[in-house]
Amino acid sequence: DTAVSQTPKYLVTQMGNDKSIKCEQNLGHDTMYWYKQDSKKFLKIMFSYNNKELIINETVPNRFSPKSPDKAHLNLHINSLELGDSAVYFCASSGQANINYGYTFGSGTRLTVV
Amino acid sequence: EDQVTQSPEALRLQEGESSSLNCSYTVSGLRGLFWYRQDPGKGPEFLFTLYSAGEEKEKERLKATLTKKESFLHITAPKPEDSATYLCAVQSPFTGFQKLVFGTGTRLLVSP
Repeated sequence: DTAVSQTPKYLVTQMGNDKSIKCEQNLGHDTMYWYKQDSKKFLKIMFSYNNKELIINETVPNRFSPKSPDKAHLNLHINSLELGDSAVYFCASSGQANINYGYTFGSGTRLTVV
Repeated sequence: EDQVTQSPEALRLQEGESSSLNCSYTVSGLRGLFWYRQDPGKGPEFLFTLYSAGEEKEKERLKATLTKKESFLHITAPKPEDSATYLCAVQSPFTGFQKLVFGTGTRLLVSP
């Protein structure tokens, strides 16, 4: 039973297209995140939602729009995709009860823009 | 701004050859320092959390230590299955538990 699941795992698309990545967690956590990992393996936070409310938006282009329909789901929609958006996108979650463990990560979505 | 620097970038060891990975950090107050392991094609997997200078934690062949400026991940008698990228991250009280700032990781390869 996967704790944090992301779909799709791979996404190849052309420049200018719009795409979405979905994330769901079954851990009962109240905070969810999107992180971007570039080709050098650097993980950088993009967004954080706590109980469906946007908490952190880290200077991300407004082509990226997160949506949290409930506290178990956090989706990422990307408009007008650019070559530089190619990366691995990780969803993660955390909860007050297990704060000592940091985040639980999903397995990532590898986005390739051609 | 919180910063994390990990060294070396890559490390190649023979099986059984012990070594240490370094994580230097600059943070405006430390709430916690985290170590994660990341295997190719997977998300980071939690290893340890350290909270105060002098603290140590162990798990199998791994031991993490913390000072006021850096953390070390000591690997004793590594095995090939320890090959992975090891990531360090810090959390400050000003951003609470909402944000982890990561280093770029150390890629460890252990040869049989």
